Order: sequence, then structure tokens, then C-alpha cells
Amino acid sequence: SAVISQKPSRDICQRGTSLTIQCQVDSQVTMMFWYRQQPGQSLTLIATANQGSEATYESGFVIDKFPISRPNLTFSTLTVSNMSPEDSSIYLCSVEEGIEQYFGPGTRLTVT
Amino acid sequence: GNSVTQMEGPVTLSEEAFLTINCTYTATGYPSLFWYVQYPGEGLQLLLKATKADDKGSNKGFEATYRKETTSFHLEKGSVQVSDSAVYFCALSFPAYSGAGSYQLTFGKGTKLSVIP
Repeated sequence: SAVISQKPSRDICQRGTSLTIQCQVDSQVTMMFWYRQQPGQSLTLIATANQGSEATYESGFVIDKFPISRPNLTFSTLTVSNMSPEDSSIYLCSVEEGIEQYFGPGTRLTVT
Repeated sequence: GNSVTQMEGPVTLSEEAFLTINCTYTATGYPSLFWYVQYPGEGLQLLLKATKADDKGSNKGFEATYRKETTSFHLEKGSVQVSDSAVYFCALSFPAYSGAGSYQLTFGKGTKLSVIP
């Protein structure tokens, strides 16, 4: 299975600022996904990132708030823009291999 | 739409006890079913899967059987260890509506398991 790393592993940010989260995979993959896991909650899909095309956002998530880049087949970034305390969550990227998805370790974001 | 319902947690068991975490799903058609585990401070790991009715997924002593008639995929382990303490997520997937070949996961809310010595 793919090995996925994320940076940063955690951060504490001030309200109104932005944070860019990086996701690196050790093999080339077509589909990458970004999820949000709010405290004590399940995972919610933010968007699907396919290399060479615009990301596809799920209902309730917009590009202005969560811009995504996918410059190549092993890397993606998610930016959380103009943060508020409600954005405090764990953000996870995942990749698809066949019907399975594998997840990175997550980025724990706290907004004060 | 598709949905996954898991038993409410937290679940606390003594070491070597029998574990069952119930999971039922609602879906049109026949999804693939998964159990993921999230250890404290870590990301999600795929624990096991089943892709068709009556399939049994198994890994690390955990088992789950795809029951189409009851739309269930209950997770079981005969003898839990302290190291099994984690949050367990049941999930299903279908090919994405976009037709781009991706499979979208729908997760349950998770069940926190604590195993005490």
C-alpha cells in the first residue's frame, strides 16, 4: 500500500490567517482526497483532487475557503483560508488503490 | 443517499473479552464494506474489507461478514488486547457519481474502544 506523509503534523493558528497542508505519496496515484475530522466526529470528504484538473468539492465546501492544488501525481496541498475556531479539526489526505483508500497521519489544526 | 450506522460508544472491555461492534448500512445496490481503525494520535488504517455478500474480511484477529439480508457488517474479535484500544470506523464505498473511476467512502460516526488490563 502507498505510504503517505503530511506536513505539518499539527499547528496552532490565529483567526483570520491561512494554513497550507501538504500531502506527499511515495508512488504515483490518480485520485487523492481531502477529509476533515472535527473533534469527536467522523470523517467528511472535502474534495477529490485529480491531477491536471480542478478539484471536485463536496456540498458545503467551496474553493475560496479550501483551495487545493495537485501539481503532479505524488503531491497535493490543501489550504484552509481565513480560519475561524470552527475550522479546528484534523485534516487528512488519502489516496485510492483499487477499491481501497489509504490515509495519511493527518494534520491537527487548532484555531484560536 | 448512502449511510452507515454504528453502535454508540464508548465501549470498555477487559482484556481477553469478546468484542462486537455493530454496523449497518443503507445503500442502493451492493457497496464494498470496510472497517478502519484509528489509534490515538494517528491517521486511519484499513483493517479489513469485503466486496460482496457473504464475504468475510479478516485481519489481526478481527473479522466481519458482509450480510446482505440484514445489511450489516459487524466487527468481531474473540479476545481483545489493550493494544486494540482505538476508534473503529465502518465505511462503505461505491464508484463515484462523477464516473471518473474513483470510489467515494461514506463513514459511520466511529466507535471508541477502550480495553483495560
